[in-house]
Amino acid sequence: QQQVKQSPQSLIVQKGGISIINCAYENTAFDYFPWYQQFPGKGPALLIAIRPDVSEKKEGRFTISFNKSAKQFSLHIMDSQPGDSATYFCAASRRAGGGNKLTFGTGTQLKVEL
Amino acid sequence: GAGVSQSPRYKVAKRGQDVALRCDPISGHVSLFWYQQALGQGPEFLTYFQNEAQLDKSGLPSDRFFAERPEGSVSTLKIQRTQQEDSAVYLCASSPYRDRRYEQFFGPGTRLTVL
Repeated sequence: QQQVKQSPQSLIVQKGGISIINCAYENTAFDYFPWYQQFPGKGPALLIAIRPDVSEKKEGRFTISFNKSAKQFSLHIMDSQPGDSATYFCAASRRAGGGNKLTFGTGTQLKVEL
Repeated sequence: GAGVSQSPRYKVAKRGQDVALRCDPISGHVSLFWYQQALGQGPEFLTYFQNEAQLDKSGLPSDRFFAERPEGSVSTLKIQRTQQEDSAVYLCASSPYRDRRYEQFFGPGTRLTVL
C-alpha cells in the first residue's frame, strides 16, 4: 500500500515558469511533510517542510501548500531555473513515537529548459 | 561542519557474498536512519537508531539484513548472502531529534550492485 502518492512522474518547465508537484497521503497520523531535492549521484537534500497546522509555507522561490481535509500537499517552484533540474520527492512522517521515519513518494523528475 | 558520510560509495558483490556498508553521521546527531533506494524510486525506510538503540527495524526486507550502531555514532549495515534484488543505493540519514528539529540529513549513499 503506497501511503504517499506523487504526481507527475516527470515535468518539463520553461525557464522562469512555475513548477508544480502534487502529493497525497493516506495516514492521518502523519504530522510532518518535507520536500527533498536529489541530484544524480547525491543523497536527498531537504528543501522545505511543513506541519499540518499551517496551510502554506514559503521559503524563497519554494512554497508548500497544504490541504489537511483533502490530505494533499504540493510544492510550487516559482521562477524555475535550469539549476532546479533534479528529482523531487515529497515525504511524510509521524514524529511522535515513530522516530520520524520518512515515507517517500515515488519522485518527480523536473527539467527546466532555457 | 561535515555532513553525513558513507563508505564505500560503490560496491560490487557477487551473489552470495556478504557486504558491510558504513555510515558516519553528523557529530552529535541522536537519530540515524537507513533507507534503500531502488533505481527510479523514492527511498524506503529500513531501520532507525536512537543513540545505540535500534528502535525500529520494521523495514528490513529479510533476516539477511542487519544493522548496528554500537557506540551511538558510526553505523554499519550488513547484508549477508547478497541477492540480485539487493542491488540499490543505500542511504544513511542522521537527525538531531532535539529542540524540535526533526529534519534528516542524508549522506551520498552507497550504490550496491550484486552480480
